[in-house]
Amino acid sequence: GQNIDQPTEMTATEGAIVQINCTYQTSGFNGLFWYQQHAGEAPTFLSYNVLDGLEEKGRFSSFLSRSKGYSYLLLKELQMKDSASYLCAPDYNYGQNFVFGPGTRLSVLP
Amino acid sequence: SQTIHQWPATLVQPVGSPLSLECTVEGTSNPNLYWYRQAAGRGLQLLFYSVGIGQISSEVPQNLSASRPQDRQFILSSKKLLLSDSGFYLCAWSVFGRGPESGANVLTFGAGSRLTVL
Repeated sequence: GQNIDQPTEMTATEGAIVQINCTYQTSGFNGLFWYQQHAGEAPTFLSYNVLDGLEEKGRFSSFLSRSKGYSYLLLKELQMKDSASYLCAPDYNYGQNFVFGPGTRLSVLP
Repeated sequence: SQTIHQWPATLVQPVGSPLSLECTVEGTSNPNLYWYRQAAGRGLQLLFYSVGIGQISSEVPQNLSASRPQDRQFILSSKKLLLSDSGFYLCAWSVFGRGPESGANVLTFGAGSRLTVL
């Protein structure tokens, strides 16, 4: 497998910042996706990183280090609606067969 | 624009009964198609993917099968359901490419089919 590792659960307070980490196997790696999945719903696309560094998209940013096999998703100014699972998905075959990490369940508390 | 339809949304089936879940994509040609399963409280498990008509790759051994009779149609089947087949089944599509700037590679999911086997 691709040995994708994410924390199982995280808790944060409304208005705070949270960082969700993901590590993966680097062999054959092309890029990395982050998806958001609310309970009972399908996942939705958040970001894709192919180059090293931080990419910012509103309150959400995603970072990638290709050499270290490491990525993180940074969520700022947390809102209650951010309570969801966040899925890391390394791309090993240019999108031919996506494999997702186990997901991190984030709970945002008032 | 592209849309993906998946049905039925929910179903309750007895052990040993057959299963057929259907997924269709509109607004694109020759998509990559996927079936995932998510057990309660668990991550997404890739079951099958297809890069073209009649081309199916299976990721895990199981009593499920998939077929792609048309370019934009993907069907998940079972002849005899097991209790362990219960879960949330998700169909998804993507377009083979090298990055999401043009929309390529991004997986887009259907709304899902929630299966309970009793």
